[in-house]
Amino acid sequence: EAGVAQSPRYKIIEKRQSVAFWCNPISGHATLYWYQQILGQGPKLLIQFQNNGVVDDSQLPKDRFSAERLKGVDSTLKIQPAKLEDSAVYLCASSRHLGTGELFFGEGSRLTVL
Amino acid sequence: ELKVEQNPLFLSMQEGKNYTIYCNYSTTSDRLYWYRQDPGKSLESLFVLLSNGAVKQEGRLMASLDTKARLSTLHITAAVHDLSATYFCAVEFGNEKLTFGTGTRLTIIP
Repeated sequence: EAGVAQSPRYKIIEKRQSVAFWCNPISGHATLYWYQQILGQGPKLLIQFQNNGVVDDSQLPKDRFSAERLKGVDSTLKIQPAKLEDSAVYLCASSRHLGTGELFFGEGSRLTVL
Repeated sequence: ELKVEQNPLFLSMQEGKNYTIYCNYSTTSDRLYWYRQDPGKSLESLFVLLSNGAVKQEGRLMASLDTKARLSTLHITAAVHDLSATYFCAVEFGNEKLTFGTGTRLTIIP
């Protein structure tokens, strides 16, 4: 079974530029998450989807971050405009459906904002 | 505000020794997870603890959960170099929303 796929793995941009990250969850997994992991910290949930609907986006900085999962499969996370403090690894995770517990994480997209 | 605290944050131990990592959390929850992260890699699920008193073991690692004390432990027995990694606990609060601890960076010295 293929794991959670993310791209790009690495991205370097100047502040105020925009960036987009893509995630393809494990086949058949209805729930998809985006987490932000700043160096030396634990991951922090940004947004949670169930199929193509948002379950929780309370910690997403909506003035600059947006995410979508239009067809209930793959998802895109966008940052526009980026700030220095957005430098982090953006992790995508999926689970079969709400209530099953275990999340499966992708390898992440490392963003450096200069 | 929900808080998940791990200690120690850094742990350097010799091969063959035993040690315990602690995870304390501030609000009632019945589900707790342990993950491992190698440098530059993603998180790998180690244990899912679903109820008070749950104990799970895999190889040299054993995890337990005390929901009344809001405490989970990850015990390492006879450590080997391959266990060097960062270990995170994560507490679930409704609909699989996980709040992660700050992580424990474990280094096993030969």
